[in-house]
Amino acid sequence: AQSVAQPEDQVNVAEGNPLTVKCTYSVSGNPYLFWYVQYPNRGLQFLLKYITGDNLVKGSYGFEAEFNKSQTSFHLKKPSALVSDSALYFCAVSPGSGGYQKVTFGTGTKLQVIP
Amino acid sequence: DTGVSQDPRHKITKRGQNVTFRCDPISEHNRLYWYRQTLGQGPEFLTYFQNEAQLEKSRLLSDRFSAERPKGSFSTLEIQRTEQGDSAMYLCASSRDGAPYEQYFGPGTRLTVT
Repeated sequence: AQSVAQPEDQVNVAEGNPLTVKCTYSVSGNPYLFWYVQYPNRGLQFLLKYITGDNLVKGSYGFEAEFNKSQTSFHLKKPSALVSDSALYFCAVSPGSGGYQKVTFGTGTKLQVIP
Repeated sequence: DTGVSQDPRHKITKRGQNVTFRCDPISEHNRLYWYRQTLGQGPEFLTYFQNEAQLEKSRLLSDRFSAERPKGSFSTLEIQRTEQGDSAMYLCASSRDGAPYEQYFGPGTRLTVT
């Protein structure tokens, strides 16, 4: 069975500083990896995905994530945080082979960007 | 693009009652997913449809839960004989066939069972 771990319940970062939200995963085979963001009172929004190819993937709102197979990690990063980035971030994984397979989400990390 | 809509947004019911939720996906999306989210947790997969066919059901979906998508458009999720443990946010998402992992989520229906 696949699983995702987001070791930090909350990450605080000053506006303008780089941010990292950590994610590690466990899955059989080659993973499909995703990041979603949930703003207050709004539905989850897809940010980015890793399926295959370059380990560094770029997504919406200036976010990027780096796939590291040896460390089974998929950390979310942004070079310069904005106050508007404050939200709840979910990492997710799917086995990704043999057709669509269900996506398993982590428990989420609350990002607080301090002005 | 009007997004995924869910109705109602909030539902309070007494234990033992039946409830039904509706999800309207983005119009051109063939795939529709149901998830459940409790406080402090990420969404948990319940079931998904490709057009009107229900292709997978989670073990979380007990016999009291049933989902339908009769015409391949909107979907309903019914919970019979609700229990306090059913209290959660029920999320619906949709996607195109060609991008099943890029799911667009609705605002959710918050169920409280008293």
